[in-house]
Amino acid sequence: QVQLQESGPGLVKPSQTLSLTCTVSGGSINSGVYYWSWIRQHPGRGLEWIGYIYNNGGTYYNPSLRSQITMSVDTSKNQFSLELSSVTSADTAVYYCARGDYYDGSAYIDTWGQGTLVTVSS
Amino acid sequence: QSVLTQPPSASGTPGQRVTISCSGSSSDIGSNYVYWYQQLPGTAPKLLVYGNDQRPSGVPDRFSGSKSGTSASLAISGLRSEDEAEYYCAGWDDSLGGPYWVFGGGTKLTVL
Repeated sequence: QVQLQESGPGLVKPSQTLSLTCTVSGGSINSGVYYWSWIRQHPGRGLEWIGYIYNNGGTYYNPSLRSQITMSVDTSKNQFSLELSSVTSADTAVYYCARGDYYDGSAYIDTWGQGTLVTVSS
Repeated sequence: QSVLTQPPSASGTPGQRVTISCSGSSSDIGSNYVYWYQQLPGTAPKLLVYGNDQRPSGVPDRFSGSKSGTSASLAISGLRSEDEAEYYCAGWDDSLGGPYWVFGGGTKLTVL
């Protein structure tokens, strides 16, 4: 059973870059036709999709966040990463990494990491 | 404001059947599959329903999803105290600039 674990700084200063890594265990990031995603949840609020990346490095980002986002994948370490630039307090959230699968040609998120809280503050 | 509209709250007593609605438009629910997630307090979301009405292995058949036109519903029968959680619908939105993955605003289910 695949498991995902987020890691990275819990505190980032405004205007800096937020960097998170997701380590995949119990399965290879190269296996199957899965894709790898990031979602965030602002405190006490709903979920916001950030984007996803394939094991070949292909990406698709939320249009509203596209200018801030860079995702990458390291298949040798079974990891994928998120960078969010020029952060403000509005980027304070719990960040989840997740695996995406397909049903009848439609992609969907089926497995989530436990999430990590990132606070943007000076 | 979420693209998919859910009631902010719902409630029921143990053993009851409750339904949670999710309303969208022709560019999201109307033309794509709907998915449902359960988020217990302090935990990550968990997939409950995919492809409108399919349950992953391990999800009890007390949970069922349906879709009609631009709306979808999650029904929970035989309500239990452990069902108290936040429930989110989700899916793809094909509107201008998309497609992109969207979530409903969430419905907090209280078991009385």
